[in-house]
Amino acid sequence: GAVVSQHPSWVICKSGTSVKIECRSLDFQATTMFWYRQFPKQSLMLMATSNEGSKATYEQGVEKDKFLINHASLTLSTLTVTSAHPEDSSFYICSARDWGRTHTEAFFGQGTRLTVV
Amino acid sequence: AQTVTQSQPEMSVQEAETVTLSCTYDTSESDYYLFWYKQPPSRQMILVIRQEAYKQQNATENRFSVNFQKAAKSFSLKISDSQLGDAAMYFCAYRSPNTGNQFYFGTGTSLTVIP
Repeated sequence: GAVVSQHPSWVICKSGTSVKIECRSLDFQATTMFWYRQFPKQSLMLMATSNEGSKATYEQGVEKDKFLINHASLTLSTLTVTSAHPEDSSFYICSARDWGRTHTEAFFGQGTRLTVV
Repeated sequence: AQTVTQSQPEMSVQEAETVTLSCTYDTSESDYYLFWYKQPPSRQMILVIRQEAYKQQNATENRFSVNFQKAAKSFSLKISDSQLGDAAMYFCAYRSPNTGNQFYFGTGTSLTVIP
């Protein structure tokens, strides 16, 4: 299957600083990527849909100024958590579909555990 | 938005036995896709099995099979000959081709395999 790489796997940052998370499709082009947030023992909550070359579409209740998404190329989307606070601590996962294949599933990155202290 | 419901927060099964995880969903669409994803302790999401709604035949992948009841909007996962490596969180997911291809996930079922 297609490979999605997410970096970093974990990050600790101080409150008030910004953190950037990268999501790369390694062997396919992804015009659309999805960013999820997952709290412990809970489901994946869709935060936003990242579209290459255009603005991201955010889900209701997600602050677009706090969670900046940039999808500058067909293989890279970034999520920047700005002015992070302890309540932003969570597990963030990206996913992408390989539009060039007939497969219908999404492929997921390894996730990033963010801890804000 | 579509909703996906997994009514079993936790399940356990004896090694080598069979277990069935339940999933129901709500939609007004006729064409869609259903998936079961596995999330082991590593947190990496792994596709277990997929089902296209237009296909009447239930999908199977080795020890994994589904019981897809379109009219009842039910999509259960059966794991046969359970192995210790099957222990994980299992998420049922719905994908619509009409809403930005978003995936909607259920709340998950934590599966424990007892040696």
